[in-house]
Amino acid sequence: RKEVEQDPGPFNVPEGATVAFNCTYSNSASQSFFWYRQDCRKEPKLLMSVYSSGNEDGRFTAQLNRASQYISLLIRDSKLSDSATYLCVVNAEPGGSYIPTFGRGTSLIVHP
Amino acid sequence: EPEVTQTPSHQVTQMGQEVILRCVPISNHLYFYWYRQILGQKVEFLVSFYNNEISEKSEIFDDQFSVERPDGSNFTLKIRSTKLEDSAMYFCASSDEGQGYEQYFGPGTRLTVT
Repeated sequence: RKEVEQDPGPFNVPEGATVAFNCTYSNSASQSFFWYRQDCRKEPKLLMSVYSSGNEDGRFTAQLNRASQYISLLIRDSKLSDSATYLCVVNAEPGGSYIPTFGRGTSLIVHP
Repeated sequence: EPEVTQTPSHQVTQMGQEVILRCVPISNHLYFYWYRQILGQKVEFLVSFYNNEISEKSEIFDDQFSVERPDGSNFTLKIRSTKLEDSAMYFCASSDEGQGYEQYFGPGTRLTVT
């Protein structure tokens, strides 16, 4: 069974802290990778794609390790508004289309 | 900023009834998706749709489910005979092939089957 695994947390950190999440995936044929955030009872919102070379968007850095089959998300200088659940999404490509598999998410709580 | 919209926001139905959930994807997007999220659980892929046909579907998407793009803007999910376990949040999403399949989600329809 093709799975995407995340530590559910919660990660409880003070404002200004740096926090990192990992996500492991079992399908070596996975083609594309994303991080989404989801607030309670809301829709997932795209945070960033994850590229092979790693990529950064402001305080957020995403990395991919294909050899070990995991992706990571680093958040620097945490804000209260970063409190949310962070979803790892992995796409495999059977039959020429993409099947997205979501992790259960990692809960982040940023406190004052 | 363009967004995916969904109606209704909340649907209550009795077991055995048919429901149609509606979505308007982002206008220049080519791929459309339905997901469900049972309360407290992970988001689960149901189906993807491209060029007026289903591209992929999961094992959840059985004969009780169908999708349709009845016109140039709407994308619908029909559940033919609802069961209690169909109670969940249903999210529609769309993506532009050129964006590496980054998907943008609608706000969801909360379906409650009684």
